[in-house]
Amino acid sequence: DAGVIQSPRHEVTEMGQEVTLRCKPISGHDYLFWYRQTMMRGLELLIYFNNNVPIDDSGMPEDRFSAKMPNASFSTLKIQPSEPRDSAVYFCASSPLGQGTEAFFGQGTRLTVV
Amino acid sequence: AQSVAQPEDQVNVAEGNPLTVKCTYSVSGNPYLFWYVQYPNRGLQFLLKYITGDNLVKGSYGFEAEFNKSQTSFHLKKPSALVSDSALYFCAVRDHGNTPLVFGKGTRLSVIA
Repeated sequence: DAGVIQSPRHEVTEMGQEVTLRCKPISGHDYLFWYRQTMMRGLELLIYFNNNVPIDDSGMPEDRFSAKMPNASFSTLKIQPSEPRDSAVYFCASSPLGQGTEAFFGQGTRLTVV
Repeated sequence: AQSVAQPEDQVNVAEGNPLTVKCTYSVSGNPYLFWYVQYPNRGLQFLLKYITGDNLVKGSYGFEAEFNKSQTSFHLKKPSALVSDSALYFCAVRDHGNTPLVFGKGTRLSVIA
């Protein structure tokens, strides 16, 4: 398996524009997580899915953020409209079922909003 | 609520010397503990985990970690540091099920030749 695949790797956009980040989890994994990494706040969980169903989105910072998982092999994180403070690295991770299972991370998308 | 503390933002060690990166945790039940490493412009890579059993866990690249229940700690160790070990290290915890991992703020390890 190629691992968790995220696209794009880098995104530069202007304030007010819509941004869509994409993730393909590892095949067969039941859980998908979206994290955001910043210098100030470290790694924050935004939302996670189990079998394509959102379980906890309490980490989504504002209504400008939304996430979907239309099928087991694809998820999106959308920011509309984007703001400079959204600049961060966004990671997608997936894991199989099991209490002791680790999460497998993608390479991340570095978002810069100017 | 679960939490992880990594008390050191930065650890410097000379190549060939032993290294320790500290981690303490707080959970309501039995902890599942993890260490990850992040190299520049890369995602997080899994190093090792403690689930149950032997308190000393061995992982990738010669790293090991010791689970200490009484001190609620899970420190990462390596007997002899390499320059290539320089990276950002994260400790993480979960207390049940497949709940998301809760990460510490990370410790930057710098190994000096």
